[in-house]
Amino acid sequence: DSGVTQTPKHLITATGQRVTLRCSPRSGDLSVYWYQQSLDQGLQFLIQYYNGEERAKGNILERFSAQQFPDLHSELNLSSLELGDSALYFCASSVGAGGTYEQYFGPGTRLTVT
Amino acid sequence: GDSVTQMEGPVTLSEEAFLTINCTYTATGYPSLFWYVQYPGEGLQLLLKATKADDKGSNKGFEATYRKETTSFHLEKGSVQVSDSAVYFCALTAYGNKLVFGAGTILRVKS
Repeated sequence: DSGVTQTPKHLITATGQRVTLRCSPRSGDLSVYWYQQSLDQGLQFLIQYYNGEERAKGNILERFSAQQFPDLHSELNLSSLELGDSALYFCASSVGAGGTYEQYFGPGTRLTVT
Repeated sequence: GDSVTQMEGPVTLSEEAFLTINCTYTATGYPSLFWYVQYPGEGLQLLLKATKADDKGSNKGFEATYRKETTSFHLEKGSVQVSDSAVYFCALTAYGNKLVFGAGTILRVKS
């Protein structure tokens, strides 16, 4: 158990809908990252927050957005869902924001868009 | 841009065999290097890391050495067990904080 929690574990929804994925980092970690894992694209970095501020952005679609709240939990919002958005979405957390800090991953949310 | 290349799998070994999974990278600057493992139905677990050239990361019998001259970070284990069956990901962070992952290598260990 990494200490990072994600809810829900599974999500099935229809095209065009909007969903919210939630992540709680390990106690004491200030940085939260979101990654997408799909069969065709592999593991891709989406976005990072550090202590409530956006810190880095990767291959995140405009239909996707995220935020980190004062209690440091984070939410990833996916809207106008398409079949191709079906994937495993992982949240990770680390103590600091730099690249040498270890990132600890949650169990993931499996999103299925039908 | 930064990238990681791993040997393609699946790799199938008998129990107690020696394991090597090759990983090479391309990065600007001086990246930190990581191996993550994903067991079936689970998230990624950090297996080991190295943050500078010639560092050796080790954990649970696995080791990898950061080789700047060959831009490599090969994963090795002297004697694999059935419980080591999983997907192994090599990854790096360079400028910035995002992890850049390789495609993953499936390891299957037979008893």
